[in-house]
Amino acid sequence: NAGVMQNPRHLVRRRGQEARLRCSPMKGHSHVYWYRQLPEEGLKFMVYLQKENIIDESGMPKERFSAEFPKEGPSILRIQQVVRGDSAAYFCASSPEGSRYGYTFGSGTRLTVV
Amino acid sequence: GESVGLHLPTLSVQEGDNSIINCAYSNSASDYFIWYKQESGKGPQFIIDIRSNMDKRQGQRVTVLLNKTVKHLSLQIAATQPGDSAVYFCADSGANSKLTFGKGITLSVRP
Repeated sequence: NAGVMQNPRHLVRRRGQEARLRCSPMKGHSHVYWYRQLPEEGLKFMVYLQKENIIDESGMPKERFSAEFPKEGPSILRIQQVVRGDSAAYFCASSPEGSRYGYTFGSGTRLTVV
Repeated sequence: GESVGLHLPTLSVQEGDNSIINCAYSNSASDYFIWYKQESGKGPQFIIDIRSNMDKRQGQRVTVLLNKTVKHLSLQIAATQPGDSAVYFCADSGANSKLTFGKGITLSVRP
């Protein structure tokens, strides 16, 4: 039973390019959460999704960031026109039916903007 | 605003000693608390959790203590081993499913 799978593990983008981060939840988990971790910082909540629905996006920047969790396929965190300040580790977690118990994190995608 | 914070940025302990990591939280509505361990290049790994109707919970070599009166959480690791070296985060949540994390404390185990 694979855990939460994130890819790519490392992503380098030039300023102005788009970054797409993917997350496949654990088997049986229908809810996905994205968190961002800056160097030397804790994780900050970004968005909470279930299939085809955004439940809570209160942590998402107002511009350039979007997230989706389609009926089929992984959840995608999309960052348009990346800037140096977007460089961070982005972690995805999943849980069964939105329960905060049984939260499991993936290994993250480390985005570097050059 | 809501925040969870840690008192010390680093903790160095001798192998075999007990470690105590402390955490203060500010959201009085939080009712669920978790400790995570994060090794370099990896995602947070669940260690132990506690709900607000308890004040102590024990796992294998780890104990979490919750003091709701002063909004304080601690993680105790017995007989600390080199493999315990990592960054430790406390996190809390209220009625919704999102977690609020502290900044993290680095535990370094001396051989």
